[in-house]
Amino acid sequence: DAGVIQSPRHEVTEMGQEVTLRCKPISGHDYLFWYRQTMMQGLELLVYFNNKAVMDDSGMPKDRFSAKMPNASFSTLKIQPSEPRDSAVYFCASSSRVHEQFFGPGTRLTVL
Amino acid sequence: LAKTTQPISMDSYEGQEVNITCSHNNIATNDYITWYQQFPSQGPRFIIQGYKTKVTNEVASLFIPADRKSSTLSLPRVSLSDTAVYYCLVAEGAGTALIFGKGTTLSVSS
Repeated sequence: DAGVIQSPRHEVTEMGQEVTLRCKPISGHDYLFWYRQTMMQGLELLVYFNNKAVMDDSGMPKDRFSAKMPNASFSTLKIQPSEPRDSAVYFCASSSRVHEQFFGPGTRLTVL
Repeated sequence: LAKTTQPISMDSYEGQEVNITCSHNNIATNDYITWYQQFPSQGPRFIIQGYKTKVTNEVASLFIPADRKSSTLSLPRVSLSDTAVYYCLVAEGAGTALIFGKGTTLSVSS
């Protein structure tokens, strides 16, 4: 298996622009997680899905962030409008058991 | 969710055994203890998970005392490539997300 695939790997955008991050989980995994990592805050859980349904999105700023999982093999995290404080590495992870998560390589987002 | 406390950093030399202890005083009956490893510029990687006593795999061993209020990750004969951040997490069996703390930064020198 190719593992969790994320795209793009790097994204540089200007404040106010829309950003869409994409994730393809490992086939057969029922859980999908979106995390954000910064030096100051560490690794924060934004949202996670079980069988395509949102289980917990309490960590996601809902005024500008939205996450979708239209099918079992694809998820998006959208930021609109983006702000400089959104600059971080965004990780997608998938799992068949909640504790043993497999992380993707991450998307490094820079908002100028 | 049970809160975990682990050292911010540790230093070691190649070939030594490293033990990282994590305290989780308010761990619940259904909680499992899980450890992840993260290298720079990579996502975290699952290392080991346990509920009680001792668990061993090809990478590490996890020691959990009877009261389960702490756990110790043991890395035998570390090498330079074991330099990473190690996270201790506690969460319920199924359907509960993991909360990552600051982790322990392990630095291995030659």
